[in-house]
Amino acid sequence: SQKIEQNSEALNIQEGKTATLTCNYTNYSPAYLQWYRQDPGRGPVFLLLIRENEKEKRKERLKVTFDTTLKQSLFHITASQPADSATYLCALESGSNYQLIWGAGTKLIIKP
Amino acid sequence: ETGVTQTPRHLVMGMTNKKSLKCEQHLGHNAMYWYKQSAKKPLELMFVYSLEERVENNSVPSRFSPECPNSSHLFLHLHTLQPEDSALYLCASSRQLGRRSGANVLTFGAGSRLTVL
Repeated sequence: SQKIEQNSEALNIQEGKTATLTCNYTNYSPAYLQWYRQDPGRGPVFLLLIRENEKEKRKERLKVTFDTTLKQSLFHITASQPADSATYLCALESGSNYQLIWGAGTKLIIKP
Repeated sequence: ETGVTQTPRHLVMGMTNKKSLKCEQHLGHNAMYWYKQSAKKPLELMFVYSLEERVENNSVPSRFSPECPNSSHLFLHLHTLQPEDSALYLCASSRQLGRRSGANVLTFGAGSRLTVL
C-alpha cells in the first residue's frame, strides 16, 4: 500500500533562514502532490499543488519540488518568519477519485 | 473563515450519549468529506459524498452515521462511542470528485474536538 513519511520531529529554524520540509513516499507514482498548513485547533489549509511533470512550483516565499525518481517532495519557506510556525502536511493523489494519502505532518517552529 | 463551518467546535460526551456534528459549506462545492485526525497520525478518511450520494464508507464503525441532506450540509451522527473515538473530526469540501489535479483540493472546516468519557 502507499505510504508517506514526513519527519515526525519538530523542525526548529532561526527567523530569516530557509526552512525545508521533506515528504517521501513509496509504492506509488502519484499524478500530483499537495501541501497544506495546519495551525493548532484549526483545519488544514491548502498551500500548493505540484504535478508529476513539474519539477518546481513557487508561490511568494514558498517553493515545492517534486522528484518522481527519488519519490520525494521538498517544501521550502524562504526568509522564514515566526508566523510561519505551524504543522505542514503533504498529501498525494492515490489513484482513486477521492482519496488522498496523507502524511502525519511536520511541526515547524521559527524562532525570533 | 474558509467557507466551511463546523459546529460544535468542542463536544464532550459519555459512551451512552447520542450527539451530532454539523458541517456547512458556502463554496458551491459538489463533494464533502468527513476526516478523523488523531494526534501524530495521518488524516483518516471516513466518508465521502458527491452530489449528496455517499461514495465511500471507509470501513468506519456503525456507531458513526453520516447524513448529507443537500450539497451544502453534512452531518455526522454519533452514538455509543468509545474513548478511542476521541479526536478532531474535520469536515472538508472540494469542487468535485476526480483524479484531475485540482479536483481534490480540499477546503477544511476548523474541526470539532470530540472527547468521549
